[in-house]
This record gives sequence, C-alpha cells and structure tokens, in this order.
Amino acid sequence: LAKTTQPISMDSYEGQEVNITCSHNNIATNDYITWYQQFPSQGPRFIIQGYKTKVTNEVASLFIPADRKSSTLSLPRVSLSDTAVYYCLVGDEGSARQLTFGSGTQLTVLP
Amino acid sequence: GAVVSQHPSWVICKSGTSVKIECRSLDFQATTMFWYRQFPKQSLMLMATSNEGSKATYEQGVEKDKFLINHASLTLSTLTVTSAHPEDSSFYICSASSFSGNTIYFGEGSWLTVV
Repeated sequence: LAKTTQPISMDSYEGQEVNITCSHNNIATNDYITWYQQFPSQGPRFIIQGYKTKVTNEVASLFIPADRKSSTLSLPRVSLSDTAVYYCLVGDEGSARQLTFGSGTQLTVLP
Repeated sequence: GAVVSQHPSWVICKSGTSVKIECRSLDFQATTMFWYRQFPKQSLMLMATSNEGSKATYEQGVEKDKFLINHASLTLSTLTVTSAHPEDSSFYICSASSFSGNTIYFGEGSWLTVV
C-alpha cells in the first residue's frame, strides 16, 4: 500500500495559484493518483485523477513526473471558498484498501 | 457526476441502542462500498470494505459485531452501530466504486451523537 506524505498546512491569498505536492515513493504500477477536497462536516469531493504526465480539468491541474513518486495539485487563482483539506491518495481499482487517507493538507486562503 | 447519498445526515441516539446509516449509489451500481469514520480535525479512517453479496472485510481494530455492515444490493450498503456508546460518536462517511473506473465517490457523511 502506497503511503502518501503531504504538507500539513498551507496558506495562500485570493487570486494566487496554489501548488500542493504529495510524495508517494512506493506507488505501484497499477496505482492511480487521486486528489480529494473536504470541507468541514462533508464527505470528500473528487477533484482530479491521473496516472502520468499532466491532467487538467475545469478546477485543477495534476502534474505527475515520469517516476510517479510524487504529484502536484495545482489550483489556479484560489478563492476563499477553496479553504479546505486536500487529500492525495494512490491506489488501484482492485485493492480493497485503495483509499487509505493520509493527514491531508489544510489549505487556508486569506483575503 | 456520480452521486453517493447517505442517510441520515445526523442522528442522536441513546447509549445502548442501535442506529443504522444507509449509503446509496444513486446513478451507478456499486460493487464495492467503503465505510470510514472521522473524528474532528482528523483524517478519515477506513473501517471496512463492503462487497455486494458477500461479507464485509473489516480493518484491524474494528469490531465486526459492533459495526454491522450489509451490502444487499448494488446500490445500497448499511452500517449499523450496535449498542452504541458515547465514544462511538463520530462522523461516518461511505464511499462507492463502480464496476469500471478508478474513481471513488463519497457520501455527504453522517454525524452520530450518542448520549
């Protein structure tokens, strides 16, 4: 099971780009990398998923280097409403323990 | 996108009673559902994995007789906290995955308060 390591917290200001990096040195060949966002008293919300290189959707980009031992979630022009905990998870569909959550990163966006 | 719904959103029960929390996949069939609990300011802890039509697999340290999980259909899994005690008070979250794809979708969570 690939363990993930993220910064515990990050602060940013409105309108800035935020990059959150996650380390997953033991990622397996079949593992995908998925990022979730969680607000207090809510379930995690899917943000983006990737396997390698770069993935972009309407809310974020995910950068994955060739060795896949880390990944970076990029949030462009954050707003106050992006204040949340962000979790990076790795796993594959067949693993019953696919989603073991690490500590996550508390992102605080300041005005 | 895919939707997973939990019910109830919050529940208060007396110590010693049992309470059931439902998890439904609304627009896809979920072969596997996961149950988590989360204490304030902490991360999610996986409690068990529920596969449709078979017994749930519990994580180490989770009492299977206390946290009964049933996954009777491809769209519904239930978690029953039996003989609840105040220390069982927590935020319980379910998630589900479909036959294909690697994405897991989470429910809104259910707050349980045992008094």
